[in-house]
Amino acid sequence: SQQGEEDPQALSIQEGENATMNCSYKTSINNLQWYRQNSGRGLVHLILIRSNEREKHSGRLRVTLDTSKKSSSLLITASRAADTASYFCATPGNQFYFGTGTSLTVIP
Amino acid sequence: GAGVSQSPSNKVTEKGKDVELRCDPISGHTALYWYRQSLGQGLEFLIYFQGNSAPDKSGLPSDRFSAERTGGSVSTLTIQRTQQEDSAVYLCASSLEAVQETQYFGPGTRLLVL
Repeated sequence: SQQGEEDPQALSIQEGENATMNCSYKTSINNLQWYRQNSGRGLVHLILIRSNEREKHSGRLRVTLDTSKKSSSLLITASRAADTASYFCATPGNQFYFGTGTSLTVIP
Repeated sequence: GAGVSQSPSNKVTEKGKDVELRCDPISGHTALYWYRQSLGQGLEFLIYFQGNSAPDKSGLPSDRFSAERTGGSVSTLTIQRTQQEDSAVYLCASSLEAVQETQYFGPGTRLLVL
């Protein structure tokens, strides 16, 4: 069964605003990864945060991890229309569990 | 190759026919994964290979689904006697080694069963 669950399911913001997506998971993890998907095709890896890390930055992306709450958040700052996509969190276990995704729409 | 490739890009078939989907992972990646994604849904894990063996086949939806990997490289996902509910995008990914590693995805095969 899937382990990651994102919320919100859908998010619509104006260009320039920040977008925050959350992910909850069920069991202990070694790391948590965020991926992006455009137009229902292949996913692109965005960022990996390890279980002993609390925050990580990559460009306009900021990821936090709270292992006590079994949750993570992805923040996209100064959003652009090109950020419009679906975003998934993934937790490796004995297989790879992907959440249900957050569909982000950035309005120009 | 530079990335994961999948073929065909799109496949339309009639109910009851068999289909074969192919995945070429990144050279040197020992782990390979198959997922299914129905319209507007998340990813459903199907199977993964470490080398040529599949430690976890629990995600295969039915015995109509099978997969193999030869030479630690190319993998084929076969769906026998296709049903309309098999219509989905089938995604393949590879990673350098184990399940914990970052996955690199192919563009997917969009399957439509009429």
